[in-house]
Amino acid sequence: NAGVTQTPKFRILKIGQSMTLQCTQDMNHNYMYWYRQDPGMGLKLIYYSVGAGITDKGEVPNGYNVSRSTTEDFPLRLELAAPSQTSVYFCASSRPASQGGYTFGSGTRLTVV
Amino acid sequence: DAKTTQPNSMESNEEEPVHLPCNHSTISGTDYIHWYRQLPSQGPEYVIHGLTSNVNNRMASLAIAEDRKSSTLILHRATLRDAAVYYCILGQGTSGSRLTFGEGTQLTVNP
Repeated sequence: NAGVTQTPKFRILKIGQSMTLQCTQDMNHNYMYWYRQDPGMGLKLIYYSVGAGITDKGEVPNGYNVSRSTTEDFPLRLELAAPSQTSVYFCASSRPASQGGYTFGSGTRLTVV
Repeated sequence: DAKTTQPNSMESNEEEPVHLPCNHSTISGTDYIHWYRQLPSQGPEYVIHGLTSNVNNRMASLAIAEDRKSSTLILHRATLRDAAVYYCILGQGTSGSRLTFGEGTQLTVNP
């Protein structure tokens, strides 16, 4: 199984540009998440989804948007890139907490210049 | 949100057991205790989770205090590959699945 697949792995954006980070999972998990991790820091939750058509804000949602049209896909959109969004972005999926842990993707390293 | 407290760093020697502590004094009755680890330049990896009883799996054991205000992740025989940042997290939100990561404990394993 592929698990959680993120694309691209690396990207450099100019200030003001937009992009979509893709995330797909093949485990039929209802729950999906986007985190960002700044150098030397822990992960911060951007957005999460408990099922297709349902999304909610995490700790640091400003500057980002998400959609969840299918169980498998949970793209993250950056509309106007800013240097403060330079970070590593991780997508994850899970079943309910009682049934096991998150599966994380390998991350997207984004630099905004 | 309920928070956890972990030491910033710990050291261990290869082949020895490691006990990684975590305090969560404000835990609620329905919060699951999760442990993840993150190797350098990788995404976090699930280690173990539990609610009230001690748990064992192939990677580690989780010992949960009777009052649930603390827990300990036990690596029975540390290897160099176990060097990572270990996160203790309380599962919150609907069905306890929304995880808030702290700074974790950097585990160094000496050969």
